[in-house]
Amino acid sequence: EAQVTQNPRYLITVTGKKLTVTCSQNMNHEYMSWYRQDPGLGLRQIYYSMNVEVTDKGDVPEGYKVSRKEKRNFPLILESPSPNQTSLYFCASSPRGWTGDNTQYFGPGTRLTVL
Amino acid sequence: EDKVVQSPLSLVVHEGDTVTLNCSYEVTNFRSLLWYKQEKKAPTFLFMLTSSGIEKKSGRLSSILDKKELFSILNITATQTGDSAIYLCAVGTETSGSRLTFGEGTQLTVNP
Repeated sequence: EAQVTQNPRYLITVTGKKLTVTCSQNMNHEYMSWYRQDPGLGLRQIYYSMNVEVTDKGDVPEGYKVSRKEKRNFPLILESPSPNQTSLYFCASSPRGWTGDNTQYFGPGTRLTVL
Repeated sequence: EDKVVQSPLSLVVHEGDTVTLNCSYEVTNFRSLLWYKQEKKAPTFLFMLTSSGIEKKSGRLSSILDKKELFSILNITATQTGDSAIYLCAVGTETSGSRLTFGEGTQLTVNP
């Protein structure tokens, strides 16, 4: 089944404890992206990747890191989480970046709480 | 800075009603506008619009883009309780790589 998977789905952690949220897609998509969703603010892009080893900042990259060493994986790293990073996180992928039909497929979401 | 504004932010209707959701945008070098539906999970793709005046339709949902006035509408006819969701509008541009700018979303509640 074609899908985007994220792990964990739920995470409660404490300030300053490094964490990684994994994202994987099995559709051989070139483009992958991370968003956070907060009430009243909609979806905001954190980082995106056009292809392996190509990443770029979105609208709210502060406090986050990403890597794209393989086409299928795009982990989101919080080196020192803070309470303002409590949010619902979505990973998404698309066959190609911005050429043609670039429908984005979303993962199930990760609800992160930082105490 | 690219901006996408959706209205209304929240809407409550009865089954059978017709609703119109609005999305306006201010971006440089517009490329496409996308609509997503989000229930209690991940957003799912509905439509992508790139040309003015061409209606996209899927069942009871339809959408159209006006590039002159910089807005799009999403219509849902004969609403059902299963249409209850957050509807998200997003815009991409030619010059921002693969970035999408999302609006705040419209929370639609359809009551029986």
